[in-house]
Amino acid sequence: RKEVEQDPGPFNVPEGATVAFNCTYSNSASQSFFWYRQDCRKEPKLLMSVYSSGNEDGRFTAQLNRASQYISLLIRDSKLSDSATYLCVVRMNRDDKIIFGKGTRLHILP
Amino acid sequence: EADIYQTPRYLVIGTGKKITLECSQTMGHDKMYWYQQDPGMELHLIHYSYGVNSTEKGDLSSESTVSRIRTEHFPLTLESARPSHTSQYLCASSPKDQLYFGPGTRLTVT
Repeated sequence: RKEVEQDPGPFNVPEGATVAFNCTYSNSASQSFFWYRQDCRKEPKLLMSVYSSGNEDGRFTAQLNRASQYISLLIRDSKLSDSATYLCVVRMNRDDKIIFGKGTRLHILP
Repeated sequence: EADIYQTPRYLVIGTGKKITLECSQTMGHDKMYWYQQDPGMELHLIHYSYGVNSTEKGDLSSESTVSRIRTEHFPLTLESARPSHTSQYLCASSPKDQLYFGPGTRLTVT
């Protein structure tokens, strides 16, 4: 089983809709969690960190469920500019290792 | 905005040539990383460093080597380039949790 797993998609979603992705991680010693966004042929950029209490940044909400070992990202009122690949990232406690998921591709349709 | 730079941005080179991809950051981060990413595919960690004179190989076997003589500089060298090295190479640095990526070097070996 891979350490970080994501549905690769693509998710084709009409503009204005709400879309949610999940990411599961296998190691309970995981320490920190993030969502990164990567546009085509560009470098990944931090979208948001994920905390146990959940956090929200505008249209984006991230949640962490340690008991079930998954994190989620919710995008409300999706925009064309949200089209990108969303990467789930986990930082391990034991060796500070950073593990990337394969990413979920999102296409927002006009 | 992160201050992490990579040069060259694009490189087309013949088989057998020695190349060095440059990565510099002005943020004083101890941790630096090299990732390799083919188009539409996942990121693979090839090297990392937790400080000056510290270098480690990542998860993906790579024929490249790195050095870390100064905090701000983490160059990657290929002694003899081959077509199989054609890819995008992304450098990143980290103060603690978050990764900051450079713009990448797109390498093509003919």
